[in-house]
Amino acid sequence: AQSVAQPEDQVNVAEGNPLTVKCTYSVSGNPYLFWYVQYPNRGLQFLLKYITGDNLVKGSYGFEAEFNKSQTSFHLKKPSALVSDSALYFCAVRDMETSYDKVIFGPGTSLSVIP
Amino acid sequence: AAGVIQSPRHLIKEKRETATLKCYPIPRHDTVYWYQQGPGQDPQFLISFYEKMQSDKGSIPDRFSAQQFSDYHSELNMSSLELGDSALYFCASSPRGGAYEQYFGPGTRLTVT
Repeated sequence: AQSVAQPEDQVNVAEGNPLTVKCTYSVSGNPYLFWYVQYPNRGLQFLLKYITGDNLVKGSYGFEAEFNKSQTSFHLKKPSALVSDSALYFCAVRDMETSYDKVIFGPGTSLSVIP
Repeated sequence: AAGVIQSPRHLIKEKRETATLKCYPIPRHDTVYWYQQGPGQDPQFLISFYEKMQSDKGSIPDRFSAQQFSDYHSELNMSSLELGDSALYFCASSPRGGAYEQYFGPGTRLTVT
């Protein structure tokens, strides 16, 4: 069965330091992977995606993520965190072999950037 | 740029009542998705529509139904509401195709008392 894991409920990082939000996935076919961010009482906003090609993908607001097929991971990274990055981050996967539309979201990781 | 519009933004209903949530996708997006997000939880896929036909179904209760209309807007109808239905309901839209990201609306917060 398809699943997404985000092993950390909460990540705290000092402003200016690099940040990593971890994500691992399990699908039966080739995954389409996404990262979304959610601010309080707001809808999810798309950050970046991996479909095919270069394993390192760059997205909005200086975020990037690295696809690692052998480790089935898609960790979100940013070289220098901002206080405004504090939000809830969701990793998501689409398994095109089992469902054309269904997107499986991870449980979310709350990121706090400390001034 | 146009975004996904959802109405109402907030809705308070009593148990056993009925609620209707509306979603207006981004123009030229032909696929609409509905999600339910409970407090502190990840969004759970309910149902999706492509070109006005149901295209996939997730964990949507039998008490809920949805449809997409000729103008591509979608409505989620919820009957016999239960306390556990209190949640944020998101609509998202995208062009057809798994490689496309979804664009989410601001959500409707449903409170069942």
